Amino acid sequence: ETVLTQSPATLSFSPGERATLSCRATQSVSGHLAWYQQRPGHAPRLVIYEASNRATGIPARFSGSGSGADFTLTISSLEPEDFAVYYCQQGGSSFGQGTRLEIK
Amino acid sequence: EVQLVESGGGLVQPGGSLRLSCVVSGFTFSPYWMIWVRQAPGKGLEWVASIKPDGSEKYYVNSVNGRFTISRDNVRSSLHLQMNSLRAEDTAVYFCARAGLPWAFDLWGRGTMVTVSS
Repeated sequence: ETVLTQSPATLSFSPGERATLSCRATQSVSGHLAWYQQRPGHAPRLVIYEASNRATGIPARFSGSGSGADFTLTISSLEPEDFAVYYCQQGGSSFGQGTRLEIK
Repeated sequence: EVQLVESGGGLVQPGGSLRLSCVVSGFTFSPYWMIWVRQAPGKGLEWVASIKPDGSEKYYVNSVNGRFTISRDNVRSSLHLQMNSLRAEDTAVYFCARAGLPWAFDLWGRGTMVTVSS
């Protein structure tokens, strides 16, 4: 069973800053890595699929990278609506525990 | 408009059963893998079960294997989750989702709350 670890659990930034979120798997996930954004009281929203592809309607400030077992989600310049919890997911199954992006 | 609408949640005693449903509209249901994901109060997301477009393959997280059954009706564009032998740790919001992109869930419902308590 592949386990995903997201670190850190919480990140604090100011709007306009660059944020980098990490997701590490216990074994290679062959690029089948997705990122989701979840705002309080809402369903998750797909942000990135297959490690680096933006989903429909996702702004260009979001980018994904990585391969093997190490992946990164980068938000180049944080907007107020980006402050949320982000989850990585592998192979259409298990999720990481999430990273909360909070306003500093 | 694309919609996934879950129903069937509620309060149930430990050991009881519930059947969740998800009715979709706005897209053709039959070609897609469909998924159930849950989220316990204040916790993260947990994949629960997946079903192939023709229903011939089903996969479950270990903690529900043998207790939950995922199914679908491609004529009625609906997805179901039969949950038996419910436990307190099954308490969560249950989301249905479409696996519309490679290994990713691109459409989600709003969820239905299941509470297992005496």
